[in-house]
Amino acid sequence: AQRVTQPEKLLSVFKGAPVELKCNYSYSGSPELFWYVQYSRQRLQLLLRHISRESIKGFTADLNKGETSFHLKKPFAQEEDSAMYYCALSGTKSGGYNKLIFGAGTRLAVHP
Amino acid sequence: GAGVSQSPSNKVTEKGKDVELRCDPISGHTALYWYRQSLGQGLEFLIYFQGNSAPDKSGLPSDRFSAERTGGSVSTLTIQRTQQEDSAVYLCASAVYGGGEDGYTFGSGTRLTVV
Repeated sequence: AQRVTQPEKLLSVFKGAPVELKCNYSYSGSPELFWYVQYSRQRLQLLLRHISRESIKGFTADLNKGETSFHLKKPFAQEEDSAMYYCALSGTKSGGYNKLIFGAGTRLAVHP
Repeated sequence: GAGVSQSPSNKVTEKGKDVELRCDPISGHTALYWYRQSLGQGLEFLIYFQGNSAPDKSGLPSDRFSAERTGGSVSTLTIQRTQQEDSAVYLCASAVYGGGEDGYTFGSGTRLTVV
């Protein structure tokens, strides 16, 4: 079964501290993994995807197939990073499309 | 349009009534998805439309839920005989065929409250 697990509902850190939002997945094939972010009163938006291997707003995420993880990291958290973060998995292509499966989300609160 | 548009933004309805939620995807996006966002539950996949293919309805929670997409563009999600547990934010997203490098583009959602 395809599943995404985000074990932390809330992660609270101080400004300047390192951040790691955990994401583990269950998938039998070669997954595509994403992180989406939802800032207060804004719509859900794509933060990064593992294929692009980019660093967006200082965040990075490495796909670890051995540990089936895709943790989101940032070395120095900023207050504007406070938001809801969702890890998502793109399942098997069927008919040429991918259905995103989301985790329950982690709320990141960065305190001054 | 420039983004995915959903209406209404808020809907309060009485238990037992039917509701219709509308989604206008980005022009040219062939894929359209409906998700339900509940507190503490993350995003729950409901239904997917891709071009002229039969929709993937595997996420619809009951037969009270249905959706259609007319002309490959606008989609309507209908909930019949609403129940209190249907209260949630209903999100629509569209994507270029196969998702593309930009992933999904989400609308701002419709907050449904069943009283």
